[in-house]
Amino acid sequence: GAGVSQSPSNKVTEKGKDVELRCDPISGHTALYWYRQSLGQGLEFLIYFQGNSAPDKSGLPSDRFSAERTGGSVSTLTIQRTQQEDSAVYLCASSFVLAGEETQYFGPGTRLLVL
Amino acid sequence: AQSVTQLGSHVSVSEGALVLLRCNYSSSVPPYLFWYVQYPNQGLQLLLKYTTGATLVKGINGFEAEFKKSETSFHLTKPSAHMSDAAEYFCAVSDPAGRRALTFGSGTRLQVQP
Repeated sequence: GAGVSQSPSNKVTEKGKDVELRCDPISGHTALYWYRQSLGQGLEFLIYFQGNSAPDKSGLPSDRFSAERTGGSVSTLTIQRTQQEDSAVYLCASSFVLAGEETQYFGPGTRLLVL
Repeated sequence: AQSVTQLGSHVSVSEGALVLLRCNYSSSVPPYLFWYVQYPNQGLQLLLKYTTGATLVKGINGFEAEFKKSETSFHLTKPSAHMSDAAEYFCAVSDPAGRRALTFGSGTRLQVQP
């Protein structure tokens, strides 16, 4: 079946511009996560959506970062006024819970370069 | 708070040799433990996971890991390395009763020499 998909696969933008990154989770998965992978910081959690609950935004690095999940499916991560330090690979993962256990399945990521 | 330490950012083995990638964790509660593999320009693929039950866990591609609570370790092994195993490997932990997001180690890049 189809896995997690992300678009665009690559994005080059100029400092100060806004960008939107999209994630299509696996159908039926109720949870969705965003992570960031950068050279200096490794893999970091950004935000987590679970069903209709309020998202866990504890990993967002600044108020320039926001995300939404529409209809419990597709999610968009928005970075406003991008900075060079935002350059990274942004990974999305979706998951479901079965018998109390959860496994996250990752998309291929969006590689963001801020010039 | 949870943390993961992966000893050795780079590991090099010969084809056919044993692969051992080390992972130690810190957690105030019994964690769930995971190993993911990342091939160049790809996302993360789950190799194996430990949640409860048997402490020796077998995964895909011949990998296995053993959860040792007394040592707070979850080392990844494979008896015989193959060229296709060259990739970056990440150990991760989550709190099954709390925040579900994964906390990752810094990764170990495995190189397999012919």
